[in-house]
Amino acid sequence: EPEVTQTPSHQVTQMGQEVILRCVPISNHLYFYWYRQILGQKVEFLVSFYNNEISEKSEIFDDQFSVERPDGSNFTLKIRSTKLEDSAMYFCASSVTFGGTTGELFFGEGSRLTVL
Amino acid sequence: AQKITQTQPGMFVQEKEAVTLDCTYDTSDQSYGLFWYKQPSSGEMIFLIYQGSYDEQNATEGRYSLNFQKARKSANLVISASQLGDSAMYFCAMTSYPNAGGTSYGKLTFGQGTILTVHP
Repeated sequence: EPEVTQTPSHQVTQMGQEVILRCVPISNHLYFYWYRQILGQKVEFLVSFYNNEISEKSEIFDDQFSVERPDGSNFTLKIRSTKLEDSAMYFCASSVTFGGTTGELFFGEGSRLTVL
Repeated sequence: AQKITQTQPGMFVQEKEAVTLDCTYDTSDQSYGLFWYKQPSSGEMIFLIYQGSYDEQNATEGRYSLNFQKARKSANLVISASQLGDSAMYFCAMTSYPNAGGTSYGKLTFGQGTILTVHP
């Protein structure tokens, strides 16, 4: 069964460093997302991406964050200068459409980011 | 704004019995979708079931069914014949389709989750 894959599974970084989290969405999906889950808290929407541009972003997704689909298969989340509060599990997801019964999001296994 | 409330931090069920996980929601949008996801200890998020706000029938997917009560704004997940592998965190989530084209931009609002433990 096709799946969303994410790398790395766990990354430890120093505060202020740049981090890039990578995702390979399901191949026929057109819509891509990043969510995060701080330990013990809710899963939170960060950004959605379609047709090589951001469709919607949350207030969490500030100027420190950026997304890119550099080569038609990978979908990346970059955090420019990490802060302690960026420590979380980051989930990539993809879907066929934005809505309706086929709009279910398929999530990857997550990338755990630890900022020291 | 949307809100999802899961009032059960943890639930226990005996293997082979049915269990209901509660979810209530709040939205001012007329068109919306409700989802349930399972998160095992390994961390991935597994889609279970979807219910559209205009769907008249309750959604079912194998052992999962969604008890959708629109007037009460509830979307409870029913798992029949529980299995040990059902032990996991379960999240209720919703998205709204505020535009005429039904576009939600994939923005899901999640509840806080319910940890289900299935006992042998």
